[in-house]
Amino acid sequence: NAGVTQTPKFRILKIGQSMTLQCTQDMNHNYMYWYRQDPGMGLKLIYYSVGAGITDKGEVPNGYNVSRSTTEDFPLRLELAAPSQTSVYFCASSTMRAPDYGYTFGSGTRLTVV
Amino acid sequence: RKEVEQDPGPFNVPEGATVAFNCTYSNSASQSFFWYRQDCRKEPKLLMSVYSSGNEDGRFTAQLNRASQYISLLIRDSKLSDSATYLCVVNTGRRALTFGSGTRLQVQP
Repeated sequence: NAGVTQTPKFRILKIGQSMTLQCTQDMNHNYMYWYRQDPGMGLKLIYYSVGAGITDKGEVPNGYNVSRSTTEDFPLRLELAAPSQTSVYFCASSTMRAPDYGYTFGSGTRLTVV
Repeated sequence: RKEVEQDPGPFNVPEGATVAFNCTYSNSASQSFFWYRQDCRKEPKLLMSVYSSGNEDGRFTAQLNRASQYISLLIRDSKLSDSATYLCVVNTGRRALTFGSGTRLQVQP
């Protein structure tokens, strides 16, 4: 059981470039989330999805886009990368909005924009 | 005011010590609470849920005080392997879990 898989693990982007961070889960979870974590800070919610075809903004959505065409996949798109988007990005999933067991996280994507 | 506040630490304690962390939350309608552990450069992992009656898992005890809106985590008999950042996490019933910035624990030999 793979859980939540994120690719790539590391990436360096130049300012203005675009990229897609991939996230796949094999647990048939309806809820999926994208968070970013800056050094020494907590996780901030970027976007989330409550099921295929449904996405919504979180706390810090500017500069990002998402799609959810299947239950399994929830890619995060960065358009026109900026240094402020240098961060570690975590994808997570859960069966419901308020699970007693919390979320299952992917191992993260470490992104540097130069 | 932040929704979830934690003392960033670091807490430097010797092996075998007992250490406690507190966390306060601002939304009185918050519904569920968790402690996550995060090792350096790794993803957060659920340590334990926090129940109103308090709960214990081995050397770890979590307590919730709804009246004062704080959560605590007590670690007894600290091990070197307990060194990590401990994240206080709250479900406010809105969009998703809200994470505190974490408290760093360093257990010294």
